[in-house]
Amino acid sequence: NAGVMQNPRHLVRRRGQEARLRCSPMKGHSHVYWYRQLPEEGLKFMVYLQKENIIDESGMPKERFSAEFPKEGPSILRIQQVVRGDSAAYFCASSPPGTGNLGNTIYFGEGSWLTVV
Amino acid sequence: AQSVAQPEDQVNVAEGNPLTVKCTYSVSGNPYLFWYVQYPNRGLQFLLKYITGDNLVKGSYGFEAEFNKSQTSFHLKKPSALVSDSALYFCAVRGPSTSGTYKYIFGTGTRLKVLA
Repeated sequence: NAGVMQNPRHLVRRRGQEARLRCSPMKGHSHVYWYRQLPEEGLKFMVYLQKENIIDESGMPKERFSAEFPKEGPSILRIQQVVRGDSAAYFCASSPPGTGNLGNTIYFGEGSWLTVV
Repeated sequence: AQSVAQPEDQVNVAEGNPLTVKCTYSVSGNPYLFWYVQYPNRGLQFLLKYITGDNLVKGSYGFEAEFNKSQTSFHLKKPSALVSDSALYFCAVRGPSTSGTYKYIFGTGTRLKVLA
């Protein structure tokens, strides 16, 4: 049973380019979460999605960042016109269906490390 | 709004000694509490969680955590530390947000260093 798959693991972008990070949840999981980890900092919640629906995007910057989880295919975190401050590790996690089952464990991928030069 | 605090940036302990990594939480309603461990350049690995029932929860790699409702704490413990336990540990809480959804909120992490 494959775990949460993220790619690319490492991505280098020049300022102003776009970064696309992909996340395939664990089999049977329909909820996806994106977190950002800055160097020497904790995990910051960005967005919570289920297929074709954004449940909570309260942690997403208002500009340049977007996320989707289409009916088919992986979840995508998109960062447009990247700046140096976007350099961070971006982690995806997934959980089984059921927003009301608060005891569900979320399982993390290995992360995507974005470096903006 | 829910929150979780890890008051120590770093904890040092000698190999073989007991370890404690502290976590306190704030959430409206019943808390759902989790501990994760992160090794360098890796994702977070689930250790254990508290949903309901016994206040002492046992998890992976010999770790356990004690839920204390009156002190709103969920400290991670291990009776005898190993050098290989050295890593970054995150406490997390799940509770309702202002939007009515239920997201997982993580602490800032505590770096555990076990000295040989």
